[in-house]
Amino acid sequence: KAGVTQTPRYLIKTRGQQVTLSCSPISGHRSVSWYQQTPGQGLQFLFEYFSETQRNKGNFPGRFSGRQFSNSRSEMNVSTLELGDSALYLCASSHNALAGGTLAKNIQYFGAGTRLSVL
Amino acid sequence: AQKVTQAQTEISVVEKEDVTLDCVYETRDTTYYLFWYKQPPSGELVFLIRRNSFDEQNEISGRYSWNFQKSTSSFNFTITASQVVDSAVYFCALSLTNTGNQFYFGTGTSLTVIP
Repeated sequence: KAGVTQTPRYLIKTRGQQVTLSCSPISGHRSVSWYQQTPGQGLQFLFEYFSETQRNKGNFPGRFSGRQFSNSRSEMNVSTLELGDSALYLCASSHNALAGGTLAKNIQYFGAGTRLSVL
Repeated sequence: AQKVTQAQTEISVVEKEDVTLDCVYETRDTTYYLFWYKQPPSGELVFLIRRNSFDEQNEISGRYSWNFQKSTSSFNFTITASQVVDSAVYFCALSLTNTGNQFYFGTGTSLTVIP
């Protein structure tokens, strides 16, 4: 079974541009989450999508957005790039939805990430 | 608010030594999950273990073992007889039951095993 695939692996952009990152989850996984990893802030949660709906959102400005398609593939977009957006962006997928009240917590499987450099 | 603290930023050990990575978490929720992930230089986070707040049993998997103590809000990870391949950054993470798949990560501990 193929793992989580993120494309591209590396990206170089200049300030003010926008960028779109792609994530293909493990087959059968319907939840996709995005994280930003930087040396200063560590791993921070961006948002989670499940069945094409954003279910959860972290504390990031509106320049960061995402979407999920019917095949569960997800894209993340960052508009008006800033130098501080340089980071490793990680995508994770998990198998089942979280039903309210249940203790089931699914394992998240991560991709290798997209390293974005903003010049 | 949720918080995960990994006080050890970097650890170096000589091969075959045992090493313990500390993780302390904070949450007011009574039901939650704790995880450990390994991040090798390639960048991909590799799942190691999941533990729910109702299960305080320690777990052993090969050379890896985990000690979960709710009384001290700690979830420590021990590698026995470390090997060079264990060199990586290790992250502890907390996830609440009712917040989807949002993880709160610690800052990570970089482990270097010297041959």
